[in-house]
Amino acid sequence: AQTVTQSQPEMSVQEAETVTLSCTYDTSENNYYLFWYKQPPSRQMILVIRQEAYKQQNATENRFSVNFQKAAKSFSLKISDSQLGDTAMYFCAFRPGGGADGLTFGKGTHLIIQP
Amino acid sequence: DTGVSQDPRHKITKRGQNVTFRCDPISEHNRLYWYRQTLGQGPEFLTYFQNEAQLEKSRLLSDRFSAERPKGSFSTLEIQRTEQGDSAMYLCASSPGGRNFPLREQFFGPGTRLTVL
Repeated sequence: AQTVTQSQPEMSVQEAETVTLSCTYDTSENNYYLFWYKQPPSRQMILVIRQEAYKQQNATENRFSVNFQKAAKSFSLKISDSQLGDTAMYFCAFRPGGGADGLTFGKGTHLIIQP
Repeated sequence: DTGVSQDPRHKITKRGQNVTFRCDPISEHNRLYWYRQTLGQGPEFLTYFQNEAQLEKSRLLSDRFSAERPKGSFSTLEIQRTEQGDSAMYLCASSPGGRNFPLREQFFGPGTRLTVL
């Protein structure tokens, strides 16, 4: 079974700063997919960024980028120029590349952007 | 709006009652998923469908939980004889399937918050 670990329950940074959220996972699979989801207070889960394990290049989506280290089984999320609207719970999620489709989530990191 | 919708958004029930939640996926998505999220935790996968076929149900929490997707469109999740421990947010997600969509990115609905008194 896969496990996803997010070791930072809460982080707080000032607006416009850069912040990195950590995520490690454990799997015996070679092909898999990794995701970061954002869950704002009382609002629904939104996909932020995704990474295919077979791609060496780190994914980037505007101010969001990942540092994917396959050998270390690490998948951190970097948010540049943080904004007040980035305040949310952030969840790292894993899905194997085979038929099983359910996502395995970490416990989340509560990110607070201070004005 | 063509996002995932869930109904009701909130449900309060008494212990021992049965409850049913509905999920309407994005129309062109053939895969539909149910998750449970308790306070302070990430979502926990329960079951999923490809069209009307339920392909994974071993993760359903007990035999009190069941899900259907009879026509491959909307789905229902039923909890029988509810217990206080069933209080949680129940999330539905949908994704495209098939070889053209290997990532099968899941899009989530707003959830149904269940409170069992």
